[in-house]
This record gives sequence, structure tokens and C-alpha cells, in this order.
Amino acid sequence: AQSVTQLGSHVSVSEGALVLLRCNYSSSVPPYLFWYVQYPNQGLQLLLKYTSAATLVKGINGFEAEFKKSETSFHLTKPSAHMSDAAEYFCAVSDDGGFKTIFGAGTRLFVKA
Amino acid sequence: DTGVSQDPRHKITKRGQNVTFRCDPISEHNRLYWYRQTLGQGPEFLTYFQNEAQLEKSRLLSDRFSAERPKGSFSTLEIQRTEQGDSAMYLCASSLDPSEQYFGPGTRLTVT
Repeated sequence: AQSVTQLGSHVSVSEGALVLLRCNYSSSVPPYLFWYVQYPNQGLQLLLKYTSAATLVKGINGFEAEFKKSETSFHLTKPSAHMSDAAEYFCAVSDDGGFKTIFGAGTRLFVKA
Repeated sequence: DTGVSQDPRHKITKRGQNVTFRCDPISEHNRLYWYRQTLGQGPEFLTYFQNEAQLEKSRLLSDRFSAERPKGSFSTLEIQRTEQGDSAMYLCASSLDPSEQYFGPGTRLTVT
């Protein structure tokens, strides 16, 4: 069965600092992996996805994530945090191409001025 | 392209009442998904449609829940005999490519 674990329900960084949000997954088949962002009172927006092509995936708003099969990880990074990055971030996994997607519990990112 | 819309955005109901939510997907999208999100958790998959066919249902979708997508366009999610545990955000998403789902803003249900 597939599952996702996001390490840290809250992460706080200073503006301009590196953002690192951790995600580990479990899947019995090569997975599709996703990161979504959710701003208050809004739906989820896809940041980036891994679909078995390049292991380093670049997304919107300067975010990127690296698929590491040996570590079963798909951590999200951004070199320099901006105040507008403050939101909730969800890692997700699918073992059927995205039809049934399993989400992690989320990590809330706080950005301090 | 106006995105995925959901109606209503908020619903307060008394325990035991029936509620129905509507989702209008992006017009050319043939796949439609329903999720439930409770406070502090990620979305939980409920069901999905390809055109008008409901292809998978989660075990979370008890007999009190039913979803339809007549004519493969908009979809409705009905909850009968609501319980306090049904209080959550109900999210709808649509896609052409299943790996690129576009989410609506959600319907927040509060059962008192």
C-alpha cells in the first residue's frame, strides 16, 4: 500500500533562507510523486510532479524536488524563501498514474521577515 | 477557462439532515475527483469519475455518501443523514491527465 510521511507539521524560516520540506513515501511500484501548495481558503495548486523521467524536478515559484529511490524521499526545496511562500504544502504519491492520489498530512511553512 | 468551481462554499447543517454539493470541472476535463480534508490533515481520496462512469470509490465513502456525474459534466456529492464526523472540507478536482489535477476552492461543511 502506498503512503506518505511529511516530517515536521510546521517549518519556520527567515525570508531569504533555504526552504527544505521533507517527504518520504512508500509504494510497491514506481510511483508518481507530487507537491501541492494550499493558501488559506483556497484549493490545492500543483507545484511540481515526478513521473519517472528526470529525478530533479523543477516547479513553479522557484521550487524544486529530487526523487531519491534509495532513500524513498522526495524533499521540496527553494533556495531563498519569500514572504509569499507562507502556506501549507502537501506531498502526495500515486501508484496508478495519478488516478488515486494519497496525500501526506501537510507541512505549514512560516516565513519570518 | 474559469477553473474548477464548487457550490456552496460553506454549508452549515443540523445532524441528520441531507446535504448536496456541486462541482463544475474545467470544461474539457473528462476526469473528476472528490476528496475530503479534515483540519490538520491532507486530502483523503473519496471517488473519481471518467466521463460519467464512477470508476473507484474509497472505503471512506459509506452508504450515506453518493456521487454522480450525469452526462460527464458537473458532479454532485450527497451526504444523507449527516453526522458530526462529516464536518470537513470537501474538495473537487478535475483533469485531462490524471497526474495534473486542478482543484476547486472546496465546500466547508459544518454539522451541528
